[in-house]
Amino acid sequence: DAGVIQSPRHEVTEMGQEVTLRCKPISGHNSLFWYRQTMMRGLELLIYFNNNVPIDDSGMPEDRFSAKMPNASFSTLKIQPSEPRDSAVYFCASSLEPVNEKLFFGSGTQLSVL
Amino acid sequence: QKEVEQNSGPLSVPEGAIASLNCTYSDRGSQSFFWYRQYSGKSPELIMFIYSNGDKEDGRFTAQLNKASQYVSLLIRDSQPSDSATYLCAVGGGGNKLTFGTGTQLKVEL
Repeated sequence: DAGVIQSPRHEVTEMGQEVTLRCKPISGHNSLFWYRQTMMRGLELLIYFNNNVPIDDSGMPEDRFSAKMPNASFSTLKIQPSEPRDSAVYFCASSLEPVNEKLFFGSGTQLSVL
Repeated sequence: QKEVEQNSGPLSVPEGAIASLNCTYSDRGSQSFFWYRQYSGKSPELIMFIYSNGDKEDGRFTAQLNKASQYVSLLIRDSQPSDSATYLCAVGGGGNKLTFGTGTQLKVEL
């Protein structure tokens, strides 16, 4: 199994630009999570999906952030417009019911907004 | 108040010693407890989980849980330089959400 696949690995963009992060979960896993990691705040849950349905998006910082999961094998996290304070590592993770809490993380996307 | 608290470290231990990593949590309803290891520049990797009070051993790792004190710890016996990493404590409630601590950096010195 290839594990959770994220792209791109690195993204450098200018303030105001749209950023789209992509994730392919492990085949058969039916829960998908987007996390953001910074030195100051650690790992923060942004949103999670179960069976492609968003269950909890209370961690999404503001309306500039949106996430979709059109099918069981693909999810996107979009930031529009991006701001320097969005700079962080964004991780996608998946898990398998009923042990949803055992997360398998992707390699992450290092986002730098200049 | 942070929901999951860890000392950021760094915690330095000599090779071969026992490393003790600690975590406290605020939600008494928490039901599941996890330790993730994260090497610098890499993604978190699950190494231990525990659901019941007491100790759980897996190789050189022992997780300890005390729900009354809202305390969970990870012991690493015979510490090796390859154990040098940041260890993240994560706590789960009844749903599907994990809350992570900010991690403790462990350095195992030769």
